Amino acid sequence: GAVVSQHPSRVICKSGTSVKIECRSLDFQATTMFWYRQFPKQSLMLMATSNEGSKATYEQGVEKDKFLINHASLTLSTLTVTSAHPEDSSFYICSAQNTEAFFGQGTRLTVV
Amino acid sequence: AQSVTQLGSHVSVSEGALVLLRCNYSSSVPPYLFWYVQYPNQGLQLLLKYTSAATLVKGINGFEAEFKKSETSFHLTKPSAHMSDAAEYFCAVSGGVTGGGNKLTFGTGTQLKVEL
Repeated sequence: GAVVSQHPSRVICKSGTSVKIECRSLDFQATTMFWYRQFPKQSLMLMATSNEGSKATYEQGVEKDKFLINHASLTLSTLTVTSAHPEDSSFYICSAQNTEAFFGQGTRLTVV
Repeated sequence: AQSVTQLGSHVSVSEGALVLLRCNYSSSVPPYLFWYVQYPNQGLQLLLKYTSAATLVKGINGFEAEFKKSETSFHLTKPSAHMSDAAEYFCAVSGGVTGGGNKLTFGTGTQLKVEL
């Protein structure tokens, strides 16, 4: 299957700083990528749909100014958690889709 | 709108025993159904998918699932559990093939434990 690379796999940052997470589709072009958040022992909650060349579509309750999404090319989408706080600590997963969804390895964000 | 319900947040089986993970769906359009597996601190890997072709779907690692419209179910089975099957399993539904902008809606997950 296709490969989606997500980086970094783990990040620890101080409260108030910003963190950028990258999601790359390595062997196919993805016009649409999705960003999910997963709390411990829970399911994946869709945060936003990232569309290449246009603004992301955010799910209800997700702060667009807090979670900045950029999809500058057909192979790269980035999620920036701005002014991170401890409650933003979570596991973030991206997926890229062509004929099916392929998931990145996830990013464990810890805000201290 | 689509949703899935996974019955049983934790399932424990003995090695070599039958694995049965339950998933029921609700969908206003013909559903596309998926099972994913997640190992700790990793992304999701597709086990199998139903896309309106054969109702019995075979996937990787010996897993299979049967789409039953009358029961709105898509239960995941494996005849003989292996220790390496211990993981979190997610059932998901989409209103179409997961190309383009079709979203996946996930169930709450089932943690499978395999005991010696």
